[in-house]
Amino acid sequence: QKEVEQDPGPLSVPEGAIVSLNCTYSNSAFQYFMWYRQYSRKGPELLMYTYSSGNKEDGRFTAQVDKSSKYISLFIRDSQPSDSATYLCATPYGGSQGNLIFGKGTKLSVKP
Amino acid sequence: EAGVAQSPRYKIIEKRQSVAFWCNPISGHATLYWYQQILGQGPKLLIQFQNNGVVDDSQLPKDRFSAERLKGVDSTLKIQPAKLEDSAVYLCASSRSRSSYEQYFGPGTRLTVT
Repeated sequence: QKEVEQDPGPLSVPEGAIVSLNCTYSNSAFQYFMWYRQYSRKGPELLMYTYSSGNKEDGRFTAQVDKSSKYISLFIRDSQPSDSATYLCATPYGGSQGNLIFGKGTKLSVKP
Repeated sequence: EAGVAQSPRYKIIEKRQSVAFWCNPISGHATLYWYQQILGQGPKLLIQFQNNGVVDDSQLPKDRFSAERLKGVDSTLKIQPAKLEDSAVYLCASSRSRSSYEQYFGPGTRLTVT
């Protein structure tokens, strides 16, 4: 089964807030998880990727994977209006890093 | 480094017409992908090329969609005949190899079928 679930939002927060974006997945064989950011009328761009369980931090962004509950999260600290975009979680399937299955994406709006 | 180029950016056609999209990947990237992104959905992989060979086209509706990657560089995706449900953004992406976790996406072609 190939499935990644993501709440589409929209999510609106004030500038400076901590944002939590989440996905769940169904297949315990999934091991790599990516977060892509997509601005309006642009292609997605890779933000972060993680392997297996644990946390990974990059500046204001933290990606977290909980394999026991099949739950992946992206936290954004000190959110900025420039963070307003759609955030897509993704995971590769079928033994190739390239065959990505994406969630529906969560649309985030950060208000000044 | 130039990004992934796609053209046209927008296309409006009537159902049953044909349409073609073009993609030029990042120089040196061996793997090229075509995705379909319907409004409100995440991208869905249609086809993956490694150089000029097809690696995965399991989700490509082959009765109406076709794709090729001549000489392992540029690629075209064609729809013939188009249906209303083909209205979507068609994204091209490339990566250095099949084992690369990072894909670089182009801006997409927004197709409207009326």
